[in-house]
Amino acid sequence: SAVISQKPSRDICQRGTSLTIQCQVDSQVTMMFWYRQQPGQSLTLIATANQGSEATYESGFVIDKFPISRPNLTFSTLTVSNMSPEDSSIYLCSVDYFSGQGRTDTQYFGPGTRLTVL
Amino acid sequence: KQEVTQIPAALSVPEGENLVLNCSFTDSAIYNLQWFRQDPGKGLTSLLLIQSSQREQTSGRLNASLDKSSGRSTLYIAASQPGDSATYLCAVGSGTYKYIFGTGTRLKVLA
Repeated sequence: SAVISQKPSRDICQRGTSLTIQCQVDSQVTMMFWYRQQPGQSLTLIATANQGSEATYESGFVIDKFPISRPNLTFSTLTVSNMSPEDSSIYLCSVDYFSGQGRTDTQYFGPGTRLTVL
Repeated sequence: KQEVTQIPAALSVPEGENLVLNCSFTDSAIYNLQWFRQDPGKGLTSLLLIQSSQREQTSGRLNASLDKSSGRSTLYIAASQPGDSATYLCAVGSGTYKYIFGTGTRLKVLA
C-alpha cells in the first residue's frame, strides 16, 4: 500500500492570494493525481502529474490557475493561484499504486487540504 | 461523457441492518469500478475494486457487485455498525488511470 500525506491540512486565505499544497508519498509512484471536491459535491480530477513531464489538465482546468510541480517520484505540489471564494474546496492528491507485481489499480488518497477563501 | 450517479444521497439506518448502496453509470465501457469510503479529515479509503471482467468482490461484511451491461454496481453492507457511518463513493475507471466519481451516499448508522 501507499501512505500519502498532505500539507497544509487546512487553510483560510484571502482573495487574490495563492496557496501551494504539498503531497508526499512513502514510496515511488509513476502517476500522481490532483482532485478537487467542492462543498457538497463529488471529486473532480484537476490534473495528472508525471515526473519529468508537464502535467496533463482536465477540461475546465488550466495551468495558469493550478500550476503543478512533480520534481521526483514521491512528491508533488499543486498551487491554487489568484484565489477567489469559488476555489473553496477540499483538494486531494492520489496515486495509482504499483506493487512489485505491477499495477494494482487501487487508488490511494491523501487526507486532503481544506481550503477556505474569504 | 461518463456520468456516475449514486442513490440514495443519504441514508440513516439502525445498527444491525443490512443495506444496499447503488451506483449507476452511463457508459458501460469501463475498465474497473472502485468503492471508497470518505471520512471527514481522512481522505478516501478504497474498499473494493472490481475489474470489468468480474461480477463481484467481497471483503468482510462488504460485497460489491457489477453489472456492466445495465450500468450498475451495488455495495452491500451486512450487519451495519455505527463505525460504518461515512460517505460512500463509487468511482468508474476508464483504463487511463482516471476515475469519474459518483455523487456519494452519506450513511449514518444509529446505535
